[in-house]
Formats: sequence, structure tokens, C-alpha cells
Amino acid sequence: AQTVTQSQPEMSVQEAETVTLSCTYDTSESDYYLFWYKQPPSRQMILVIRQEAYKQQNATENRFSVNFQKAAKSFSLKISDSQLGDAAMYFCAYTLTGNQFYFGTGTSLTVIP
Amino acid sequence: IAGITQAPTSQILAAGRRMTLRCTQDMRHNAMYWYRQDLGLGLRLIHYSNTAGTTGKGEVPDGYSVSRANTDDFPLTLASAVPSQTSVYFCASSDSVTTIVREQFFGPGTRLTVL
Repeated sequence: AQTVTQSQPEMSVQEAETVTLSCTYDTSESDYYLFWYKQPPSRQMILVIRQEAYKQQNATENRFSVNFQKAAKSFSLKISDSQLGDAAMYFCAYTLTGNQFYFGTGTSLTVIP
Repeated sequence: IAGITQAPTSQILAAGRRMTLRCTQDMRHNAMYWYRQDLGLGLRLIHYSNTAGTTGKGEVPDGYSVSRANTDDFPLTLASAVPSQTSVYFCASSDSVTTIVREQFFGPGTRLTVL
């Protein structure tokens, strides 16, 4: 089975500052897909950003961007200008074909006012 | 209905009882999935279905069964619940096809406690 590792169980950031969440994965494939999901206290899973492995350009969605390092099998999420509403559990996910998604164990982000 | 609904929201169940968790989507997505979320373990795939009439096993399928009689519904059944099946269960859907992988949309989850 594929593995996705999030080595930071908890992170904190001051409001308006920048934070980076780490994710590494294990695969022997060259074409695959990576995602970051956010889970606030409401429990609802919300897509933050996605990256196709064949694209060299890092994905960006407003204040959220990724640093995709294919050779290193690293997919970190950067949150700029952190807001109180960013406080949540963040999950990194990998899929090859869309049949099976593999999730990391999550990083709990606290935003300090 | 908008998106994915799950029922019940939460349930306490005696060990050995049979339980079906319901999931319905109105987005006409071809693929549907069931996950369980446990503290410290993230989300783990139980079963999935690429299209109506087909199902597949995920990482942790033992003790669970699914069916996909139509596009919209994807129930998960615990034939004889055990305490280790205490978890939060999420249903998800996606309109991924063979050549195009798209993100998953998730339901609100069902919290199941087996005593």
C-alpha cells in the first residue's frame, strides 16, 4: 500500500503569519495526484488544493500554495496571512487512479489571535 | 439535497448487532467511497465503487460490506458489529474517470459507537 506521512501532529501560527505543513509520500509511479484537505471542528472535509504530478508548476489557491518536490516525494502546504478560520485538521492525500486515496494522519493547526 | 448526505448522524450499537450506514449523493458522481477516521490514523478506505454495479476493497474491508445498486446510493453494512469498529465513518464521491482524477466530496460523517 502507498504511504503518506505527515510528521507534524500539531502546529500553531500567529494570525496573519505564514505556516507550512509537511507531507511526504511513497510511490514508484510517475503520474499521480496529490491533495490537501481541511477538516474544521464541524467535521466536514473540504478540499484546499490539488496538484497533478505531471505539472511542474506548484498549485496555488488564494492564500494557499504548495511546494511540490517530485524527486523528494514531498508536498508541503503553505498558508499565508493565516486567519482564525484556518484552524483545523489538515490532511494530505495521494491517489494514482482515483480508485483509492491514501491519507496521512493529519496535522492539527491552531491559529493564535 | 445538495451534495452528500449520511444517516444516521450518530449511533450507539450493541456488539453483535447488524448496522447499515446510509449514503446518498445527488451529484451523479460515478465513484463513491467509504472511509473510517480514527484518532492518530487519519482516514482509511474501507470500500469503494467506481460505478453502479461494481465495488472494490480498500485498506480495511474486513467486517464491512457494501453494495451499489444505483448511482446515488452506497450503503455500508456491518454484519456483526465489534467494539473495534467504533469510529467516525465518512462517505465520499467523485466524478473521476480512468483518465481524469478529480477530488472527492465528503459527507458530514456518522459517529458510530459499538459497546
